[in-house]
Amino acid sequence: GQQLNQSPQSMFIQEGEDVSMNCTSSSIFNTWLWYKQDPGEGPVLLIALYKAGELTSNGRLTAQFGITRKDSFLNISASIPSDVGIYFCAGPVGSGGYNKLIFGAGTRLAVHP
Amino acid sequence: DTEVTQTPKHLVMGMTNKKSLKCEQHMGHRAMYWYKQKAKKPPELMFVYSYEKLSINESVPSRFSPECPNSSLLNLHLHALQPEDSALYLCASSQGLAGEGYEFFGPGTRLTVL
Repeated sequence: GQQLNQSPQSMFIQEGEDVSMNCTSSSIFNTWLWYKQDPGEGPVLLIALYKAGELTSNGRLTAQFGITRKDSFLNISASIPSDVGIYFCAGPVGSGGYNKLIFGAGTRLAVHP
Repeated sequence: DTEVTQTPKHLVMGMTNKKSLKCEQHMGHRAMYWYKQKAKKPPELMFVYSYEKLSINESVPSRFSPECPNSSLLNLHLHALQPEDSALYLCASSQGLAGEGYEFFGPGTRLTVL
């Protein structure tokens, strides 16, 4: 089945550093979503991308929808301790006439003050 | 109201118990979802309801029984669970199906099966 390959698996950075993570697939996606999940909570949508080449920002976060439609990246600038969590990319795939979301394996981010 | 609520927050049950998880949204979303999430893994889709009808069942064992009483409510009935069913159960909703709008997730129910 379709898969999203997300990297890196984990990152340990100092406060103030920039962070970059990405997702790739062998299949084309029409939408890329980036979620963040805090411990014991549900995922929260950070950025939604709907058009190839699109570059979208949300505060210190910037995400891009790759031109080939097979990849996306998320950048976090000037990281702060509350950026700690797991970041997931996600995209819709068809299943029996309906679409469903599939998720990357996640990038676990730790920020040291 | 822009949130998905789930109750209970935590649930501990024995393998012979029957319990239910509840989910509610008042955003007028027409699709609702149940996901299961094991530790350090991404959410895995279990069921999708579209316009109150079950549209996707990801080959989930029958000991999990979903129910959508109306467009705002989604239940997951649990019976004869196994310890390996312990996980975070997430409910989500979206205005349309995946790809037509993004999914809002609830905070989850942490389920422990003894």
